Amino acid sequence: GQQVMQIPQYQHVQEGEDFTTYCNSSTTLSNIQWYKQRPGGHPVFLIQLVKSGEVKKQKRLTFQFGEAKKNSSLHITATQTTDVGTYFCAGLVSGGYNKLIFGAGTRLAVHP
Amino acid sequence: SAVISQKPSRDICQRGTSLTIQCQVDSQVTMMFWYRQQPGQSLTLIATANQGSEATYESGFVIDKFPISRPNLTFSTLTVSNMSPEDSSIYLCSVEDLTSGRRRETQYFGPGTRLLVL
Repeated sequence: GQQVMQIPQYQHVQEGEDFTTYCNSSTTLSNIQWYKQRPGGHPVFLIQLVKSGEVKKQKRLTFQFGEAKKNSSLHITATQTTDVGTYFCAGLVSGGYNKLIFGAGTRLAVHP
Repeated sequence: SAVISQKPSRDICQRGTSLTIQCQVDSQVTMMFWYRQQPGQSLTLIATANQGSEATYESGFVIDKFPISRPNLTFSTLTVSNMSPEDSSIYLCSVEDLTSGRRRETQYFGPGTRLLVL
């Protein structure tokens, strides 16, 4: 079946260090979305990438969508304690009806 | 943005019983989704619920175990039937984000229902 792989599973960083999480899909995606889930919370939409090779920035966060629309990355520059949480990528797969396939998530811990 | 509420927020249930989870949205939406998130895991789509039609279930999920109702455009229920400890999870409903200017197909999630089955 269709899968979205995400690595790493966990990442511990010191505050101020950078952080990157990667997603790879077994099939071409219509778009890829990123969500953040704080501990004890629910997933919150961050961004959507649609075009091949697209790059978007939100302050210290940089999101990329691969040329083949099968992989994506999220990079956080100079992490802060407020960045703590689990980051999920989710690929939109078309066909019949659209549905999101979530990656396993990367849990980020930031040590002050 | 849509405001989504879920009831109950958490529950502890005995095996063999059933629990119905409610999802209420403050605006009319076409598609509602039900996900399961097991402890420390990712989100797995259970089914998609459109108003006025049968829910569409994903592989591994069946209507007898997870019956869904969608009586109108703002409300849905998911029942977890004949529960076992393996059903202990967070159950989340979500809706498509129809905020002006934002592309469809992104989703707003409810706060979730934390279920523990003993």
